[in-house]
Amino acid sequence: GQNIDQPTEMTATEGAIVQINCTYQTSGFNGLFWYQQHAGEAPTFLSYNVLDGLEEKGRFSSFLSRSKGYSYLLLKELQMKDSASYLCAVRDSGNTPLVFGKGTRLSVIA
Amino acid sequence: GAVVSQHPSRVICKSGTSVKIECRSLDFQATTMFWYRQFPKQSLMLMATSNEGSKATYEQGVEKDKFLINHASLTLSTLTVTSAHPEDSSFYICSGTQGNTEAFFGQGTRLTVV
Repeated sequence: GQNIDQPTEMTATEGAIVQINCTYQTSGFNGLFWYQQHAGEAPTFLSYNVLDGLEEKGRFSSFLSRSKGYSYLLLKELQMKDSASYLCAVRDSGNTPLVFGKGTRLSVIA
Repeated sequence: GAVVSQHPSRVICKSGTSVKIECRSLDFQATTMFWYRQFPKQSLMLMATSNEGSKATYEQGVEKDKFLINHASLTLSTLTVTSAHPEDSSFYICSGTQGNTEAFFGQGTRLTVV
């Protein structure tokens, strides 16, 4: 089966750094994705990892360790607008659909 | 990134009626379209996968006669919720891919059945 775990909720302070972890168990692996979703809106793409290591894109970075079935999304210099749900998703092979975790609801406070 | 246009964004319908949701890939050919449903405070749950020109593949527990999916062209896929009931009220989102690439999401449709 497929299982993707991430924390349900996190709170962090404006200007700080927060790390959202994701662990997965899937039958295959063909990429891990992070999406941001504001309430009532569709998810927006943040990052994609298929090889081990860190991918940096502005204030957002994503890390992958395939041997550990582990990824994290790192958000730096937090802003109030970063308050949203962050979804970890895995594609297990080829052109199969993404399987989503339940999402982590991040609240950024002043 | 690529654009998937989904309409309508919001719809309210009476119980027992049907609602059609359209997703169009505007600047790429979506060989595969995935349809998801999301209930409040829950994750995206895959309903079905459709490939252009062939019948959709439905996930377990999703009634194919109730949720009709058509993917007649590489740029258009539709989901029709037939004989809608209040428990069908949800956020429906389509996602298109062109081969082995990231998934591009539509804007989502908030369906309320009264």
